[in-house]
Amino acid sequence: KNQVEQSPQSLIILEGKNCTLQCNYTVSPFSNLRWYKQDTGRGPVSLTIMTFSENTKSNGRYTATLDADTKQSSLHITASQLSDSASYICVVSWNAGNMLTFGGGTRLMVKP
Amino acid sequence: DVKVTQSSRYLVKRTGEKVFLECVQDMDHENMFWYRQDPGLGLRLIYFSYDVKMKEKGDIPEGYSVSREKKERFSLILESASTNQTSMYLCATWGDRGKSPLHFGNGTRLTVT
Repeated sequence: KNQVEQSPQSLIILEGKNCTLQCNYTVSPFSNLRWYKQDTGRGPVSLTIMTFSENTKSNGRYTATLDADTKQSSLHITASQLSDSASYICVVSWNAGNMLTFGGGTRLMVKP
Repeated sequence: DVKVTQSSRYLVKRTGEKVFLECVQDMDHENMFWYRQDPGLGLRLIYFSYDVKMKEKGDIPEGYSVSREKKERFSLILESASTNQTSMYLCATWGDRGKSPLHFGNGTRLTVT
């Protein structure tokens, strides 16, 4: 069964600290992996999209990594800000990009 | 920028009512989707559409139907609302499938009492 598991479910960090969110998947055949940020009360917004051949992709203070061999991805947030408080959702595209499987998300809270 | 507009941010309906959730996009995308989002369950696909008048069931279509009469508009219909349909509903569009991001609306939080 195609699954995407994210950890931790929730995380609290202090402003200015770094953090790393994890995503493990069993999806096959893999097309690409996406990270989305969802602010409370809003729809998800795309952060990064990585294909099989890409192992790192950055978007400002967000850096996503992909290990297609172990089927793991991480999202690293550097120098966190209060505005980083949100849910982060890992999404894996498969079947030639025609299908998507969503992870359950990690809820991040950044405290001053 | 792609704009995906959902007609209502909050809705409260009674059990048994017929409910219409509307979604409009301005980027001429062929692919449109309806998801529901519940705590601990993530986003689950209800229905999707690849073209006008075309629809496909997603993972949880029971109790829902959809309509796509125009390319820019995709409607989700709850024929007879039930309390277990209380949820956040998200509409999304997808331009170049496989290569581009999904673009989501801001969601409709539906409460069925």
